[in-house]
Amino acid sequence: LAKTTQPISMDSYEGQEVNITCSHNNIATNDYITWYQQFPSQGPRFIIQGYKTKVTNEVASLFIPADRKSSTLSLPRVSLSDTAVYYCLVGSPRGSARQLTFGSGTQLTVLP
Amino acid sequence: DSGVTQTPKHLITATGQRVTLRCSPRSGDLSVYWYQQSLDQGLQFLIQYYNGEERAKGNILERFSAQQFPDLHSELNLSSLELGDSALYFCASSVGGGGTYNEQFFGPGTRLTVL
Repeated sequence: LAKTTQPISMDSYEGQEVNITCSHNNIATNDYITWYQQFPSQGPRFIIQGYKTKVTNEVASLFIPADRKSSTLSLPRVSLSDTAVYYCLVGSPRGSARQLTFGSGTQLTVLP
Repeated sequence: DSGVTQTPKHLITATGQRVTLRCSPRSGDLSVYWYQQSLDQGLQFLIQYYNGEERAKGNILERFSAQQFPDLHSELNLSSLELGDSALYFCASSVGGGGTYNEQFFGPGTRLTVL
């Protein structure tokens, strides 16, 4: 079971690029890395998922080094509305939901 | 709008009572997940159903139970309620049954207050 570690909180300013790193030292061969975003009193929302190297979509990029023991969620030019909790999850297509661990996530606060 | 609906939005009840929370998954999704989120414990996975059958259990108390019906909607039953059960309860759905991989779509949640 791959355990993840993220910073508890981060502050940034509007217009800056934000990088949130997640550590998952015992990630398994078949595991994928998934990031969710959660606003207060709302359910989490899927942001991005990747297996290796780099994945980019319209809202974020995900960088995964060759050893896959960590991953970095990159949010370009953040705005105040990006203030939220960000969760990193690790799991495989055949993995059980018993392994679902959202943890405490990273509280990102974007300042004006 | 994720396409997942939950009712009721708010629920206020007393200790010792029993309540039922309802969830309708996105059209086409076969998996339903239930989560509890309280202020001091983060988002806790409770249970998953896939196409009507229990697929995985997380930190669900024996006082809590769930089921998924043939039309794929799900209900979470909470009984002998305690003050500590006050929390936001989220339902999520996904197409597949692999809980750690499939993209999950979360509903707006039910806020339960136990007095």
